[in-house]
Amino acid sequence: QKEVEQNSGPLSVPEGAIASLNCTYSDRVSQSFFWYRQYSGKSPELIMSIYSNGDKEDGRFTAQLNKASQYVSLLIRDSQPSDSATYLCAVNKPGNQFYFGTGTSLTVIP
Amino acid sequence: GAVVSQHPSRVICKSGTSVKIECRSLDFQATTMFWYRQFPKQSLMLMATSNEGSKATYEQGVEKDKFLINHASLTLSTLTVTSAHPEDSSFYICSARTLYEQYFGPGTRLTVT
Repeated sequence: QKEVEQNSGPLSVPEGAIASLNCTYSDRVSQSFFWYRQYSGKSPELIMSIYSNGDKEDGRFTAQLNKASQYVSLLIRDSQPSDSATYLCAVNKPGNQFYFGTGTSLTVIP
Repeated sequence: GAVVSQHPSRVICKSGTSVKIECRSLDFQATTMFWYRQFPKQSLMLMATSNEGSKATYEQGVEKDKFLINHASLTLSTLTVTSAHPEDSSFYICSARTLYEQYFGPGTRLTVT
């Protein structure tokens, strides 16, 4: 069983819509959770970190964590074409072990 | 966030030569750094974990004699691709962790002709 699972997509949303990206993790001891954005030909960039249950908002981005169900999601409001990228979910387990998902490709259609 | 730099950003070399890629943590000390490789339209693949002052830990299937890693200081790790071949052409990305988060360098695109 993979530590982190994401739907590879592609996910397409129209400009201005809400994009919803989901991630599940297998180990309940996972402590902290991250979303990275990777543009084509570039390296991943950390865009959100979340450590406790509930929502965390940063501009148009909202990360949601539900430890009971072992899922993390990223909502992008008012999606823009510049949001088109691959989004990687990552979890950190005790001992500072990071695990990355394979990423979800998002396309925002103008 | 923390900053990780990589040099060079692009390199073209001839088959059989060696290439060194540097990774630096600019505003924090990193006892551990990570080297990834990514082929077009594929996921990140962890190659090895670089530990300051000790030998690197390689993932299964990664040739340690071909991909030499040195982590001489708390802010610098190097990856040397020895006797490079066209199949080694890829995007190499280093990464370093602060206490809580992991940051990536901008990557090095290696082309072996």
